[in-house]
Amino acid sequence: DTAVSQTPKYLVTQMGNDKSIKCEQNLGHDTMYWYKQDSKKFLKIMFSYNNKELIINETVPNRFSPKSPDKAHLNLHINSLELGDSAVYFCASSHQGGKAFFGQGTRLTVV
Amino acid sequence: SQQGEEDPQALSIQEGENATMNCSYKTSINNLQWYRQNSGRGLVHLILIRSNEREKHSGRLRVTLDTSKKSSSLLITASRAADTASYFCATDGLGGGTSYGKLTFGQGTILTVHP
Repeated sequence: DTAVSQTPKYLVTQMGNDKSIKCEQNLGHDTMYWYKQDSKKFLKIMFSYNNKELIINETVPNRFSPKSPDKAHLNLHINSLELGDSAVYFCASSHQGGKAFFGQGTRLTVV
Repeated sequence: SQQGEEDPQALSIQEGENATMNCSYKTSINNLQWYRQNSGRGLVHLILIRSNEREKHSGRLRVTLDTSKKSSSLLITASRAADTASYFCATDGLGGGTSYGKLTFGQGTILTVHP
C-alpha cells in the first residue's frame, strides 16, 4: 500500500542514452512533483503538475520532460543523459500544496 | 538560490539528550515544514507550521517559528538511536500560481544519536 511509488529504484546507464522514471500516487492528491537531490543532499524542485497541468518548471534542461497521463501519475523522461545528471530523483505528491509525501527515490548513475 | 540555511550541519548526541536544529529562510512563507530522511530513503514529513503559528508540538517534536527573524527551530526531546537521520526544513512560499506547493529545502542537518 505504498502511497507514492516510483520505479526503478536504481538506474545505471551510459551517457547519451534516454531513460524514464515512473511515479504513481494512490493518495488522491491533485499535485505531483519531481525533485532532484544532488551528491551534497541538496534538494531542488524540478517540475510540478496540478490536475495534469504543468505549473512549475524550474530551470531544467530541455532534455528533461515530465509527462502526466492522469492525476495519479507523473513520469520523467530524460534524453541524451549526461554525467551531471547523476543524482537521486524523488517524486512527491500533495493536496493543494502543504504536506508532501515522497517516493523512495530513484538513484540515477550515468557512466 | 537556496532558501533555507540549516544549523548545525551535523549534530552528534547521546541517547536521551535533546537535539535542536535551526533553519533560516529569506522570503515570506505560507508555511514551514520539517522532514526526516533516513540514509538511502525518501523524505518523511514530520510537522508543518503555518506562518500565523508560533509553536507546534507533535509527540517528542517541538517546532517554533519566528517570521520576524525568518527562522524556525526543531527540537527533538529524549532522542533515540532511531532518530539518527538527516533533517530538512522546507518553506512553502507565498504567491500561489506558479509557486503552488513549491517547497524550497534547506541543506539539512545530519543528526547522529549514539546508543
